Amino acid sequence: QVQLQESGPGLVKPSETLSLTCTVSGGSISSYYWSWIRQPPGKGLEWIGYIYYSGSTNYNPSLKSRVTISVDTSKNQFSLKLSSVTAADTAVYYCARLTTDYYYMDVWGKGTTVTVSS
Amino acid sequence: QSALTQPASVSGSPGQSITISCTGTSSDVGGYNYVSWYQQHPGKAPKLMIYDVSKRPSGVSNRFSGSKSGNTASLTISGLQAEDEADYYCCSYAGSVVFGGGTKLTVL
Repeated sequence: QVQLQESGPGLVKPSETLSLTCTVSGGSISSYYWSWIRQPPGKGLEWIGYIYYSGSTNYNPSLKSRVTISVDTSKNQFSLKLSSVTAADTAVYYCARLTTDYYYMDVWGKGTTVTVSS
Repeated sequence: QSALTQPASVSGSPGQSITISCTGTSSDVGGYNYVSWYQQHPGKAPKLMIYDVSKRPSGVSNRFSGSKSGNTASLTISGLQAEDEADYYCCSYAGSVVFGGGTKLTVL
């Protein structure tokens, strides 16, 4: 079955850019939306944005000015870049598959912890 | 885009039933059937429990059920078991994705 795996630096300095990649295995990246979600320590889930395999994107308005999500279909990967990070961006970052019919996330990665600190 | 409103916590004894509410607006929960529910155990990734308001993915116990009335969706867990103790999040789509604040379920 489809599996997702997040990868990237666990520590990012304030004002720098956070970069994460999600690798899709066991299936094709085509015909689905691919999403990023984060969860600050002790808090709830926050949707960051999603990308369609064709490249069209949709971002959380509260993060839109700092977020870029891209897709590489040849590698079956999609990526997240979050610029000008602060300590408030410290969180567990999850990637997930978002279906195109009823917009639910049926496959999730295990998550990766990113800490913003100097 | 405001978060959906959920109670911070609910509790119940083994064997009982509990219901978690999720209140939005006519622009999200009330306007579409794009409501899903996720279960999250500590240190784990969320798991899809309900989608399309009331549908269960394969492998999810039929003790979990979902419904909607107006701008409020609900998740009901019947025959509570110790393993149901977790955080639960509702989610809706209305042009963008929005989560509820989460509800901590304690099985007494």
